[in-house]
Amino acid sequence: QQQVKQSPQSLIVQKGGISIINCAYENTAFDYFPWYQQFPGKGPALLIAIRPDVSEKKEGRFTISFNKSAKQFSLHIMDSQPGDSATYFCAARIPVSSGSARQLTFGSGTQLTVLP
Amino acid sequence: DGGITQSPKYLFRKEGQNVTLSCEQNLNHDAMYWYRQDPGQGLRLIYYSQIVNDFQKGDIAEGYSVSREKKESFPLTVTSAQKNPTAFYLCASSNGQSTYEQYFGPGTRLTVT
Repeated sequence: QQQVKQSPQSLIVQKGGISIINCAYENTAFDYFPWYQQFPGKGPALLIAIRPDVSEKKEGRFTISFNKSAKQFSLHIMDSQPGDSATYFCAARIPVSSGSARQLTFGSGTQLTVLP
Repeated sequence: DGGITQSPKYLFRKEGQNVTLSCEQNLNHDAMYWYRQDPGQGLRLIYYSQIVNDFQKGDIAEGYSVSREKKESFPLTVTSAQKNPTAFYLCASSNGQSTYEQYFGPGTRLTVT
């Protein structure tokens, strides 16, 4: 049961282009939506996160757009660089008030390749 | 340097053997997690532990076991009952329940033949 659905599975972008990765969720109780970046052979690392009461968050070339009514959020990478080539995971946080300590449920991942 | 260490990086086992994957953290985090990563399936939660001597099953706990005898350590045993054990295993920790940031180790790639 995939609580967070992520697309596309893979993405190829030219250097300088915009990379867009989309995620959708059903559980309206989720209270935080982080994105993680994973380089080959490494563990994922937190990239950027957003709360559901915010429509957009920007950190450098990375922007999260959040559409609460559509239950969708997306990661935009502006001026994509070859060094951005990695696997990106969206995630959603299960609220602490639910009594669960498991915290995060992850999307299936998007493998981004930025061509030089 | 603070962080999470997993050892070994690559592990090979024969079918029918149990194998234990190591995870150690020096971040003084209370919560620790084990995930399994397979191509196209994202990160699936195997087990998690909120405090020492306590742990809960995740989504795919069958065929796995864990222990949490020390705050710093959360080893995962892949038993012979796990039908498809070949995968990339990731350990993570977080500083309590209120954060959405989990710190991941470098992973262990297990191959069972």
